[in-house]
Amino acid sequence: GAVVSQHPSWVICKSGTSVKIECRSLDFQATTMFWYRQFPKQSLMLMATSNEGSKATYEQGVEKDKFLINHASLTLSTLTVTSAHPEDSSFYICSARDLLAGFNEQFFGPGTRLTVL
Amino acid sequence: QQPVQSPQAVILREGEDAVINCSSSKALYSVHWYRQKHGEAPVFLMILLKGGEQKGHEKISASFNEKKQQSSLYLTASQLSYSGTYFCGTEAVQGAQKLVFGQGTRLTINP
Repeated sequence: GAVVSQHPSWVICKSGTSVKIECRSLDFQATTMFWYRQFPKQSLMLMATSNEGSKATYEQGVEKDKFLINHASLTLSTLTVTSAHPEDSSFYICSARDLLAGFNEQFFGPGTRLTVL
Repeated sequence: QQPVQSPQAVILREGEDAVINCSSSKALYSVHWYRQKHGEAPVFLMILLKGGEQKGHEKISASFNEKKQQSSLYLTASQLSYSGTYFCGTEAVQGAQKLVFGQGTRLTINP
């Protein structure tokens, strides 16, 4: 199956700083990438959908100025958490689809655990 | 709207069978099933498309009843490795791109 990587796998930062998380599709071109946030023992909550070369579409209640998403190429999307606060601590997971190749499946990255002190 | 999974949790002994259901109040184009182990990303199991199909892989199979807007995941002769949280993700229309995930079903397999 297709492989999606995320970097870093975990990060600890101080309140008020910004953190960037990278999501890469390693062996396919991802026309669409998704960013999820997951709190302990809860479901995957979609934050935004990003298509290569266009602005991300954010879900209701997600602050686009706080969670900056860039999908500059068909293999890379980044999520930047700006001015992070302790309530932003969570498990952030990206996924990717290649609809042009007929990939109906979403392939998930390994996730990034963010802890804001 | 988030699909509803049932049961929320189930505990089995190795070798027993389990069924996990996923119901939606909206018409669905596809249902995706994933398994997530603690601290890891979800792993894709299978996708079922509109058309009432059933799929299987070894001892894990699933069905999709589009009239009832419901999918069921069947785990037969469960193994210890089946433990984890199972999520269904639903797609309302073809090309919708995004999936809406259920709240998850925690499956624990004991020896």
